Amino acid sequence: DVKVTQSSRYLVKRTGEKVFLECVQDMDHENMFWYRQDPGLGLRLIYFSYDVKMKEKGDIPEGYSVSREKKERFSLILESASTNQTSMYLCASSFLWRNSNQPQHFGDGTRLSIL
Amino acid sequence: GENVEQHPSTLSVQEGDSAVIKCTYSDSASNYFPWYKQELGKRPQLIIDIRSNVGEKKDQRIAVTLNKTAKHFSLHITETQPEDSAVYFCAAQKKAGGGADGLTFGKGTHLIIQP
Repeated sequence: DVKVTQSSRYLVKRTGEKVFLECVQDMDHENMFWYRQDPGLGLRLIYFSYDVKMKEKGDIPEGYSVSREKKERFSLILESASTNQTSMYLCASSFLWRNSNQPQHFGDGTRLSIL
Repeated sequence: GENVEQHPSTLSVQEGDSAVIKCTYSDSASNYFPWYKQELGKRPQLIIDIRSNVGEKKDQRIAVTLNKTAKHFSLHITETQPEDSAVYFCAAQKKAGGGADGLTFGKGTHLIIQP
């Protein structure tokens, strides 16, 4: 079974802090994704990566950056946290097969509060 | 970019009845349409998906239909049970260059099964 592990379930930080959210997958998936989930807005794509050191902006990348130094690990970075980044953050991964989309598997999420 | 509309936002049905959730998408390049179920406090779980070369797919009590011409797809749940109560998300995904692409989600439908 696919295992996507996010380092923290709950996190509280202060405005202006640099925040790191970590995600690890154990299935050797090529693709990894970061979404945020807000009530009434569904899930929105922040960034994704299809290979080590590769990254692509999603729909709402402003205020975020990402790092993928190893295939199994994908980090989301809030450069200078603001209160409007209080949200649930979900990591997902999928494998690439014959250039066709494959199901994404999600982690349990990190509920981040910025005070 | 892609835009996915989902209706209704809340759906209440009697146990044993059928439930239908509808989604429309805007980008004709989208070719993969998964449905996720999310129970309170848990990760989204894939329940069924369909690709653009298929019009219908069924898995026990769950079915999904796709109309590419009209750009809409629907989730059908028959013989609903209390454990079907959850938030359901539709999503659309297209291929982007040589790598993956993220999912664009609808805003979700809260399905309530009345005993």
